[in-house]
Amino acid sequence: DAKTTQPPSMDCAEGRAANLPCNHSTISGNEYVYWYRQIHSQGPQYIIHGLKNNETNEMASLIITEDRKSSTLILPHATLRDTAVYYCIVRPEFGSGNTGKLIFGQGTTLQVKP
Amino acid sequence: KAGVTQTPRYLIKTRGQQVTLSCSPISGHRSVSWYQQTPGQGLQFLFEYFSETQRNKGNFPGRFSGRQFSNSRSEMNVSTLELGDSALYLCASSLTGQGAYEQYFGPGTRLTVT
Repeated sequence: DAKTTQPPSMDCAEGRAANLPCNHSTISGNEYVYWYRQIHSQGPQYIIHGLKNNETNEMASLIITEDRKSSTLILPHATLRDTAVYYCIVRPEFGSGNTGKLIFGQGTTLQVKP
Repeated sequence: KAGVTQTPRYLIKTRGQQVTLSCSPISGHRSVSWYQQTPGQGLQFLFEYFSETQRNKGNFPGRFSGRQFSNSRSEMNVSTLELGDSALYLCASSLTGQGAYEQYFGPGTRLTVT
């Protein structure tokens, strides 16, 4: 079972920041938080991941709370092409039972509106 | 660098037949994972291969099998197809499948069983 909880859907106005929350209250010390997104009928796309520090790349920013029980993915200037299902995933860095494996939940469907 | 490629992109089979799907990972990536995506169950992990060995396996029946070749290309096979096997089959590659890795997905093969 997925170890994360996300709202099923969210709307965002084009050009505004999209803030997608994720709850992972049972996260362990060696588990990373990953974000992927899936645009309709395509393969999931890696966005960003982090352990405890905030992370930023060309696509998004990841803010992880100090207790690591929740995080927020921020798309700074959402466009219509950002409409997708966004998945928040936690997985340990090591562990033979998790090699090559991502456990996807239901994700958040983000609708960016003009 | 070329992305993950999957062939064929679409496939229609009849119940009881078998099917083989192919995945070519990103050059240099040695870990290949397979996932099944259906509207009811979402994205589910099938198995992962590394250096021609199955290293991890999800909770699917033995009709689902796979293999990996020395060039890291992978195939998955489904025997005795059932209607419920209709799904989008995705493969993903990563460098090693361990550690804080990023997994890159292909576009998927859409299998329809009639």
